[in-house]
Amino acid sequence: DADVTQTPRNRITKTGKRIMLECSQTKGHDRMYWYRQDPGLGLQLIYYSFDVKDINKGEISDGYSVSRQAQAKFSLSLESAIPNQTALYFCATSQPGTDQETQYFGPGTRLLVL
Amino acid sequence: GQQLNQSPQSMFIQEGEDVSMNCTSSSIFNTWLWYKQEPGEGPVLLIALYKAGELTSNGRLTAQFGITRKDSFLNISASIPSDVGIYFCAGQTGGYGQNFVFGPGTRLSVLP
Repeated sequence: DADVTQTPRNRITKTGKRIMLECSQTKGHDRMYWYRQDPGLGLQLIYYSFDVKDINKGEISDGYSVSRQAQAKFSLSLESAIPNQTALYFCATSQPGTDQETQYFGPGTRLLVL
Repeated sequence: GQQLNQSPQSMFIQEGEDVSMNCTSSSIFNTWLWYKQEPGEGPVLLIALYKAGELTSNGRLTAQFGITRKDSFLNISASIPSDVGIYFCAGQTGGYGQNFVFGPGTRLSVLP
């Protein structure tokens, strides 16, 4: 079974709709992240959470919100979707506490906003 | 903010050839990670580097943490068709609260 799972894997929605993307992890990691990837570009950080009570904005948080329901769950919401939010969204986890922190990614959610 | 540059942006090579790509920054990093992403999938960690000068291998892949701590290199020997994908580097400056910064990726195509 995958350590980091994302649902749904694909989603088509209309402008103005509210949608939620979910991420779950079984790695027991404290840190979780949401990234956005546009075609031909690298990963841009939307939000990150270092523990259940800690939520921080990333580079491109406008138009997004997140909820850390539990250590294992981190959801991303688009309150009112717009076409330029069409992208591939990735969740990731990491565990601090050592000098060898590594980040692990989920399989991604492909979102199309019409 | 911190930025990572990757070169080349894309490359086409013949099966069996060796591949070299690099990642550079104006900032110093304490950790370098190399990922591979295949179409429709999330990035998968290939190699992690934690010490300046460190040279680490994973099968046909070898990566090095630059002595200046501002760059890293990834080499793939004897390329095969399944090496096709986008290779991303990521750096972390270390310390609590520091996030990973990702490069834009190198797109590798392997011709049979």
